[in-house]
Parts: sequence; C-alpha cells; structure tokens
Amino acid sequence: GAGVSQSPSNKVTEKGKDVELRCDPISGHTALYWYRQRLGQGLEFLIYFQGNSAPDKSGLPSDRFSAERTGESVSTLTIQRTQQEDSAVYLCASSSYRAETQYFGPGTRLLVL
Amino acid sequence: QQQVKQSPQSLIVQKGGISIINCAYENTAFDYFPWYQQFPGKGPALLIAIRPDVSEKKEGRFTISFNKSAKQFSLHIMDSQPGDSATYFCAPKRRGFKTIFGAGTRLFVKA
Repeated sequence: GAGVSQSPSNKVTEKGKDVELRCDPISGHTALYWYRQRLGQGLEFLIYFQGNSAPDKSGLPSDRFSAERTGESVSTLTIQRTQQEDSAVYLCASSSYRAETQYFGPGTRLLVL
Repeated sequence: QQQVKQSPQSLIVQKGGISIINCAYENTAFDYFPWYQQFPGKGPALLIAIRPDVSEKKEGRFTISFNKSAKQFSLHIMDSQPGDSATYFCAPKRRGFKTIFGAGTRLFVKA
C-alpha cells in the first residue's frame, strides 16, 4: 500500500520567496504531523492535525509559517518570505488515532539561498 | 511537562556488543513509548514500542525496557551490527496529543 508521500522532494528558493510543501498521508490516518529537521539535528515539532479538532500550532516558529489540512487528506505547509535559517528537511508523518505509530514521508529538502 | 531527555547523544559500540539508549520523561499521562530509527537521508521509522502495562518487550535483537516509577524507558540492541548504525529517537506520547521527540542518539557500530 502507499505510504506517506511528500512533494517536492527538493526545493531551492531565494530568500524572501514563499514556498509550499505538500504532504499526502496514508489513507484513513486521522493524525498528521509536520516536523523540521536541520542537518544533524533532531526533529522539531511544527504542527499537529487530529481529525476535525483544532490543530496544535504550538511549534510553528513564526507567523511566516502556516499549515492547512483538508479533512483527513492532503496537508500543505507554507513558509512566507523565506529566510536562510529556514533551510532544513521538512518531514510529514501520519498515524491512525488508535495505533499511534507515526509513518514518515521521505521529506522535502528546502534550501534558501 | 512535555520535556523528554534522551541519552547519550552519541554512542560507539563494537560489533557484537550491546547498545543502550535511555529516555527520561516528565509527563505521567504518556501512554505510548516508541523508539524510532532514522538512517541518513530517510525519514524515521518505528523500531519498537511499548505500552505502560508491561515492563519489557523484545523483538529480535531489540528490547525496550520500561520503568514507570522512574519515568524512564530504554532501548537495548543486542549483538549490535554495523547495519544498526543510525540515529535513534524516543518519542513518548499521550493519545490524541502531539509527539515530542527526544534529541536523538547517533549510534555507530564498528566492524
């Protein structure tokens, strides 16, 4: 069966531009997470969607970051006016409410020049 | 009460040796205690997980030990192999809430 997919796999942008990162979770998974991982570092929580509940946005580092999710399907993470410190791998994961195991996508590698 | 402390930060083990990684947490409401394994260039993947109603779970060479009173759980890798070289993360959580990952442990197994 299909796993979590993310697009694009790589993105190079110029400082100040906006970028959109997409995540397609596993079908039927009610929970969706976004994380940021800088080179050689751990996973930094960004945002968590659970079903129709209000998302937990407590990890978003600034108001330049936002995310949306349509129902229990696709999610988009938007970074406005990108900065060089936004360069990182952005990982998406999904899980079912009952099983809780997170299944990660391959990530989007963002480089801001 | 979301703090998660993982140790050591890095670990070098000889092939065939035992690797031990520890995770301490504060939130007593956590009810799911997983370890994730991440290889370079890949997303993390679940390695092994435990619920708080048992104190130990073994899957092949991997064992997770859980100490509820001490609010700690650990990962033991027996007969460590070079292919186990990866970064390991603990990620205790409570159902319906976000996950906070530990800082990670870089394991290198020398051949």
